[in-house]
Amino acid sequence: AQSVTQLGSHVSVSEGALVLLRCNYSSSVPPYLFWYVQYPNQGLQLLLKYTTGATLVKGINGFEAEFKKSETSFHLTKPSAHMSDAAEYFCAVSEGGYSSASKIIFGSGTRLSIRP
Amino acid sequence: KAGVTQTPRYLIKTRGQQVTLSCSPISGHRSVSWYQQTPGQGLQFLFEYFSETQRNKGNFPGRFSGRQFSNSRSEMNVSTLELGDSALYLCASREDRTSGIQETQYFGPGTRLLVL
Repeated sequence: AQSVTQLGSHVSVSEGALVLLRCNYSSSVPPYLFWYVQYPNQGLQLLLKYTTGATLVKGINGFEAEFKKSETSFHLTKPSAHMSDAAEYFCAVSEGGYSSASKIIFGSGTRLSIRP
Repeated sequence: KAGVTQTPRYLIKTRGQQVTLSCSPISGHRSVSWYQQTPGQGLQFLFEYFSETQRNKGNFPGRFSGRQFSNSRSEMNVSTLELGDSALYLCASREDRTSGIQETQYFGPGTRLLVL
């Protein structure tokens, strides 16, 4: 079975500071990993995803994440926080492959606040 | 292209009633998935439909059902509503080419259901 653990339900950083949101996963098969963002009263938007290949993945809005198999981690970072980054962030995992691709297991989410 | 649309956006029902939610995927997308989001349980996969057939299913009781039409539009139904069914219900679609490569799921804004 697959699972995702997000460390910290709430993270607060100052504008311009480094953003680091932590995610650890558990999977018995090579995982596909995702980070989604959710703004208030909106659906989920994909920030980035790792399937195969390069372990450092760059996404939208300046975010990136690194897949570390040995640490079973997929932490999300952004060098300089912007006020518009305030939102809920979800790490997720799926088995990948054709038929299971839509069955995504989500973490519990991390709410990111940005201090002026 | 228009995004994933969900109707209605907000709904209030009473215990014991049933409800039907609708989802129109992005044009050309053949796979539609449904997720339930609650503060307590987070985001949970309900089921996925492809070619009018349920392809994957999460761990929800039989009161939760769905269907997909030939134009890929999907509906989900919850019968005998319980207070705990109050949630944001998200629909997501993806193109579902047979390349086997993980495709991006695009989420709709959700339907917020309140059960009184």
